[in-house]
Amino acid sequence: EAQVTQNPRYLITVTGKKLTVTCSQNMNHEYMSWYRQDPGLGLRQIYYSMNVEVTDKGDVPEGYKVSRKEKRNFPLILESPSPNQTSLYFCASSFQGYSPAYEQYFGPGTRLTVT
Amino acid sequence: AQKVTQAQTEISVVEKEDVTLDCVYETRDTTYYLFWYKQPPSGELVFLIRRNSFDEQNEISGRYSWNFQKSTSSFNFTITASQVVDSAVYFCALSEWIQGAQKLVFGQGTRLTINP
Repeated sequence: EAQVTQNPRYLITVTGKKLTVTCSQNMNHEYMSWYRQDPGLGLRQIYYSMNVEVTDKGDVPEGYKVSRKEKRNFPLILESPSPNQTSLYFCASSFQGYSPAYEQYFGPGTRLTVT
Repeated sequence: AQKVTQAQTEISVVEKEDVTLDCVYETRDTTYYLFWYKQPPSGELVFLIRRNSFDEQNEISGRYSWNFQKSTSSFNFTITASQVVDSAVYFCALSEWIQGAQKLVFGQGTRLTINP
């Protein structure tokens, strides 16, 4: 089944404790992206990757890191989480990022709470 | 700059009523795509439809229909004879090619509640 998977689905952590949210897709997509969803703000892009080893900042990159060492995986790293990073996070992928035509497929979401 | 506005934060209707979700967008580009996604209570995002800026034909899929009007920069979504299973948050999104990459910008979302 074609899908984007994320782990963990739920995470409660404390301020400053490094964490990684994994994302994997099995559709051989070149483009991958991370979003956060907050009430009243819709989804905002954190980082995106056009292909392996090619990543760039989205609209709200502060406090996050990413890497793309393999085509299928795109982990999101919070080196020192803070309470304002409490949010619902989505990983997404699309066939390629050089055209706006391709729909993005989303993972199931990761609900992160930082206390 | 790109912007998508969904002015209706929440809508509540009784089952079998028709309901329209509004979406207004801003862009300076001539080539762009518009999307609607559905987020049911389970939380995942489900792709519903894509429309490109050169195709202003309305589209109907079962009880769902979409009205794209370039003159008013709107891409509205109508559910006919609504059902309880239609209860979800619906997002309108605008996709463009900006600085060498696909850029997808979402509206704030409209929470639709269908009451039995």
